[in-house]
Amino acid sequence: AQSVAQPEDQVNVAEGNPLTVKCTYSVSGNPYLFWYVQYPNRGLQFLLKYITGDNLVKGSYGFEAEFNKSQTSFHLKKPSALVSDSALYFCAVRDVSSGSARQLTFGSGTQLTVLP
Amino acid sequence: SQTIHQWPATLVQPVGSPLSLECTVEGTSNPNLYWYRQAAGRGLQLLFYSVGIGQISSEVPQNLSASRPQDRQFILSSKKLLLSDSGFYLCALSIRSGSDTQYFGPGTRLTVL
Repeated sequence: AQSVAQPEDQVNVAEGNPLTVKCTYSVSGNPYLFWYVQYPNRGLQFLLKYITGDNLVKGSYGFEAEFNKSQTSFHLKKPSALVSDSALYFCAVRDVSSGSARQLTFGSGTQLTVLP
Repeated sequence: SQTIHQWPATLVQPVGSPLSLECTVEGTSNPNLYWYRQAAGRGLQLLFYSVGIGQISSEVPQNLSASRPQDRQFILSSKKLLLSDSGFYLCALSIRSGSDTQYFGPGTRLTVL
């Protein structure tokens, strides 16, 4: 079984400050981990993923995430937040050993608001 | 790169009416396809997934059904809509030989009155 938790429903940060959106996961084997962003009334956009290799993954729009196996976490970060980063963020996980349909399990989402 | 189209973008339907939402994809062959529902701008609920033509798996019992008549076409249907079917419906694909990244369409906003 695989699961993912986003412990914060809402994160507020001032423009120009660093931001962190938290994600923890649970899988039986090794994980594939993903971050997506959703703007109002739009589909989800892929930001970045961890498959293997370097624990620090860089993605679109200046976002990065760090895979921490011991803490089973994959927090999303950005050094300097922009007002335009305000959106709903989803973390997702797949257990590498899971079934043929390659299903992802999504977290409940974190609403990020960047204040001007 | 792959593109996902969803039609219509918005839909308002009365309770008890039928439903047909269409998802078509371009730029890839033999993808895995998915239907999700998102309620109240939050979590995603996987409704159906398909690994090939005519192959549909349902994740939750419900008032909806799905079909895949062609490799790049995925249809979500209902014979009689319920109020609880309102939501934002998202189609997604993943490429079988890839790393399981799912790519999403623009979504259909369904309101049942």
